[in-house]
Amino acid sequence: DAKTTQPPSMDCAEGRAANLPCNHSTISGNEYVYWYRQIHSQGPQYIIHGLKNNETNEMASLIITEDRKSSTLILPHATLRDTAVYYCIVSDNNQGGKLIFGQGTELSVKP
Amino acid sequence: DTGVSQNPRHKITKRGQNVTFRCDPISEHNRLYWYRQTLGQGPEFLTYFQNEAQLEKSRLLSDRFSAERPKGSFSTLEIQRTEQGDSAMYLCASSLNRVAEQFFGPGTRLTVL
Repeated sequence: DAKTTQPPSMDCAEGRAANLPCNHSTISGNEYVYWYRQIHSQGPQYIIHGLKNNETNEMASLIITEDRKSSTLILPHATLRDTAVYYCIVSDNNQGGKLIFGQGTELSVKP
Repeated sequence: DTGVSQNPRHKITKRGQNVTFRCDPISEHNRLYWYRQTLGQGPEFLTYFQNEAQLEKSRLLSDRFSAERPKGSFSTLEIQRTEQGDSAMYLCASSLNRVAEQFFGPGTRLTVL
């Protein structure tokens, strides 16, 4: 079973920041937080991952709370092409790298 | 295009027939994963390989399913005696060792009539 809880859907205005929350209250010390997204009819796409510290790359920022029980994925300037299902996943290297997906958050970016 | 290819992209078959799907990962990636995704659900892990060794199989992978990666490069997933419940998108992903970033292919959509 997935170890994360996400809202089923969110809306965001084009050009605004999209903040997607994820709850992972049972995360263990060696588990990473990963974010993937899946645009309709495509395979999932890796976005970002982190352990304790906040992370940023060209696609997004990941903010992890100090107790690591929740995190937020931030898309700083959402575009229509960011409309997708976003998955928050926790996993450690002892699980062989397999990903356990939950239901994700369906983000709709509107003009 | 992630560099992971899957063939065929679509397959329609009748119940009871056997089907085989192929996945070609990114060439230097030693890990290869298979997932299944039904409508409205997130992908479900099926199995994974490190090089040619199959290291884990999900309980979802019944004895009608078999996967191979004979030379540690491409992989095949075969479903014998297909059932309507096998209708799904079958996704393949590859990665370098156990790093976080898995690259997914476009998937093979199976429809069992």
